[in-house]
Amino acid sequence: NAGVTQTPKFRVLKTGQSMTLLCAQDMNHEYMYWYRQDPGMGLRLIHYSVGEGTTAKGEVPDGYNVSRLKKQNFLLGLESAAPSQTSVYFCASSPRASLSSVNTEAFFGQGTRLTVV
Amino acid sequence: SQQGEEDPQALSIQEGENATMNCSYKTSINNLQWYRQNSGRGLVHLILIRSNEREKHSGRLRVTLDTSKKSSSLLITASRAADTASYFCATGDSGYSTLTFGKGTMLLVSP
Repeated sequence: NAGVTQTPKFRVLKTGQSMTLLCAQDMNHEYMYWYRQDPGMGLRLIHYSVGEGTTAKGEVPDGYNVSRLKKQNFLLGLESAAPSQTSVYFCASSPRASLSSVNTEAFFGQGTRLTVV
Repeated sequence: SQQGEEDPQALSIQEGENATMNCSYKTSINNLQWYRQNSGRGLVHLILIRSNEREKHSGRLRVTLDTSKKSSSLLITASRAADTASYFCATGDSGYSTLTFGKGTMLLVSP
């Protein structure tokens, strides 16, 4: 029962470095999300995907890129890391919702704690 | 901007007491959900209430929804020390594709 798996769990980057966070889900979910969580700010949506090959911007997309080449994977990239991107990043997935079944419960990974120095 | 705002930001109670957290939101929703987050962990779904429902129960959890006031409450009855966590409300948008979270309520239940 892996669910949603995020790698890595911890990372320290220097300003200007790049990295990719990987999210993998084994529940055959259509929707996947990347959130960041900062103290006192709750969770804010960075990017999301409603299916393989599709992505969309969330509330705070600047400085991030994403790709959904395979249905089970959702990658979050930081091309040039900045201290403001120090945060805990959460990936989540959910089944497709329909008018007859408002089934949008999201399943979360355990998070990636990223520090940019 | 964030859709939901939880109140209070922090709540400290004794074991056996009830805990009530409130959530207010701004725009029309299709459903409202409550999640729990233990320190350093991911969020776990607790309960979902649809916009045409007014109350829902699950074990020791009771959720109410008042769409006219754009607010919801989560009641945890007979709290236990293991209920210590942060609780977030999240609203589903009209397209069903995203969830918008509030800033959360930190609940501390002391033995």
